[in-house]
Amino acid sequence: AQSVTQLDSQVPVFEEAPVELRCNYSSSVSVYLFWYVQYPNQGLQLLLKYLSGSTLVKGINGFEAEFNKSQTSFHLRKPSVHISDTAEYFCAVSENNAGNMLTFGGGTRLMVKP
Amino acid sequence: EPEVTQTPSHQVTQMGQEVILRCVPISNHLYFYWYRQILGQKVEFLVSFYNNEISEKSEIFDDQFSVERPDGSNFTLKIRSTKLEDSAMYFCASTTGYYGYTFGSGTRLTVV
Repeated sequence: AQSVTQLDSQVPVFEEAPVELRCNYSSSVSVYLFWYVQYPNQGLQLLLKYLSGSTLVKGINGFEAEFNKSQTSFHLRKPSVHISDTAEYFCAVSENNAGNMLTFGGGTRLMVKP
Repeated sequence: EPEVTQTPSHQVTQMGQEVILRCVPISNHLYFYWYRQILGQKVEFLVSFYNNEISEKSEIFDDQFSVERPDGSNFTLKIRSTKLEDSAMYFCASTTGYYGYTFGSGTRLTVV
């Protein structure tokens, strides 16, 4: 079984500042890693995913994340945030076999202030 | 881009009533899922479905819940006798098995 910990429940940041949202996972097997974004009253949109290969993954809206196997982390970063990035961000993990379920972290609310 | 479609977007039901939440997964996907998110909480796995049968289910998915793929396109979640604590956003998702999961926009279920 896997588990995901998002260390920060809320992250306030000023517009145009950099941000890092932290995610650590626990698993006894190799995993795939994902970040999803949820805007208010909307569904889950995939930001980026790590399946294999390069540990630095680039996603939509200028976000990127780095897979660190030794630290079992998959932190999400953006060099300059916009007001429109205000949302809930979920880190998720699945075993790296076909069709396995996703296990989500508790979410981090990113609040971008003008 | 292909989408997962969920209907209705919002359902209000009385406690004890049966509800059916509907989903149309992406056509070439093989694995189907239901997740739920109670307001303000994290997204929780309910059930996965592959090759016309349940492949995995969580402790939440008790005898009150069932899933069906009645035809080649729809995937449904039925709650037989709803409770107040079933109030949540329910998300359907699908995948080919690799390369990520696509989620629908969700159905907000309110049990009164």
